[in-house]
Amino acid sequence: EMVVTQSPATLSVSPGERATLSCRASHSVNSNLAWYQQIPGQAPRLLIYDASRRAIGIPAKFSGSGFGTDFTLTITSLQSEDFADYYCQQYDDWPLTFGQGTRLEIK
Amino acid sequence: EVQLVESGGGLVQPGGSLRLSCAASGFVFGSRGMNWVRQAPGKGLEWISFIISSSGTRYYADSVRGRFTISRDNAQNLLYLQMNNLSDEDTAVYYCAGHDNSNIERYFNLWGRGTLVTVSS
Repeated sequence: EMVVTQSPATLSVSPGERATLSCRASHSVNSNLAWYQQIPGQAPRLLIYDASRRAIGIPAKFSGSGFGTDFTLTITSLQSEDFADYYCQQYDDWPLTFGQGTRLEIK
Repeated sequence: EVQLVESGGGLVQPGGSLRLSCAASGFVFGSRGMNWVRQAPGKGLEWISFIISSSGTRYYADSVRGRFTISRDNAQNLLYLQMNNLSDEDTAVYYCAGHDNSNIERYFNLWGRGTLVTVSS
């Protein structure tokens, strides 16, 4: 089973600043990686797929990069609504696996 | 409007069974692969099962294989998850998830609001 590890578990950033979240796969997933945002009490929302493609309706402040085993989600100009939980998910092979999440909190 | 609505959650005793349903609307359900994803209280997301549009292929996470069964009724636009031999580790919000592009089955831009399953005596 592909293990996906996110870091850090919690990230404290000030509003207006940039956040950088990391995701690492135990084996290469090529570019088959997605990122989701989850506000507590709500369902996840797809942000990024194919490692770097923004989903429909996702603003340009969200960007993804990486290939193989190492991936990054960058969020610029943080606003209050961006402080949430973020998950990466590999879909290169079954079983599909999620990272354990990064909580982005206000510093 | 594209919508997924889960139902069937509730309180069940350890060793018991429960069947979850997911009603789909606003898209051609019968041409999409569908998934169940769960989230234990305060924990992360866990994919647990997939079923192809024709029901011919099904996958399960190791944590539920042999106890859970995914199925679907394309005529009724319904997705199911039959859960047997439940333990407290199965306590979670259960989401059905899919994609509005019929060629995409492995990541999800469609999510229901979830239904809570609590396993407790």
